[in-house]
Amino acid sequence: EPEVTQTPSHQVTQMGQEVILRCVPISNHLYFYWYRQILGQKVEFLVSFYNNEISEKSEIFDDQFSVERPDGSNFTLKIRSTKLEDSAMYFCASGRDRGSAGELFFGEGSRLTVL
Amino acid sequence: AQSVTQPDIHITVSEGASLELRCNYSYGATPYLFWYVQSPGQGLQLLLKYFSGDTLVQGIKGFEAEFKRSQSSFNLRKPSVHWSDAAEYFCAVAAGGGADGLTFGKGTHLIIQP
Repeated sequence: EPEVTQTPSHQVTQMGQEVILRCVPISNHLYFYWYRQILGQKVEFLVSFYNNEISEKSEIFDDQFSVERPDGSNFTLKIRSTKLEDSAMYFCASGRDRGSAGELFFGEGSRLTVL
Repeated sequence: AQSVTQPDIHITVSEGASLELRCNYSYGATPYLFWYVQSPGQGLQLLLKYFSGDTLVQGIKGFEAEFKRSQSSFNLRKPSVHWSDAAEYFCAVAAGGGADGLTFGKGTHLIIQP
């Protein structure tokens, strides 16, 4: 069964460092998302991406964050200068098309720890 | 803006007993509603979804949920839980069919007693 894969599963970084989280969505999916879950809190929407551009982003997704799909298969989230409060589990998700209406397929997450 | 409330942070149920997890939403129009499950160390898996039509929707793993507009609720039920159902359960609401992002509740942690 096709699945969304994420790397790394866990990354530890120093405050101020840049981090890139990688995702390989399901191959025939067109919509891509990043969510994050701070420990003990709810899953929060960060950004959605379609047709090689951001279609929607939340207030959390400020200038520190960026996404790109560099090669048609990977979908990356870059955090430019990490802060302690960026420590969280980051989930990538993909959806087939608008008609799939919320049937998103999630990866297992990348746990980011900022020291 | 839409929001979701899951009033129970933890629920403990005996194996074989019935289960109901509560979810209340706030959204101005007809909502798209979802339940996701997150097992330890896993990603989120869709259990079921409601868009329109029959207010009782069936999902995977024997789960069902009922949409009640008058109560702004979308409670998840299962007649007999199994130990493997122990997990975190998230209710979510979406505008625009969900392609523009889901708003999740804080989750309910389900514990199964033997």
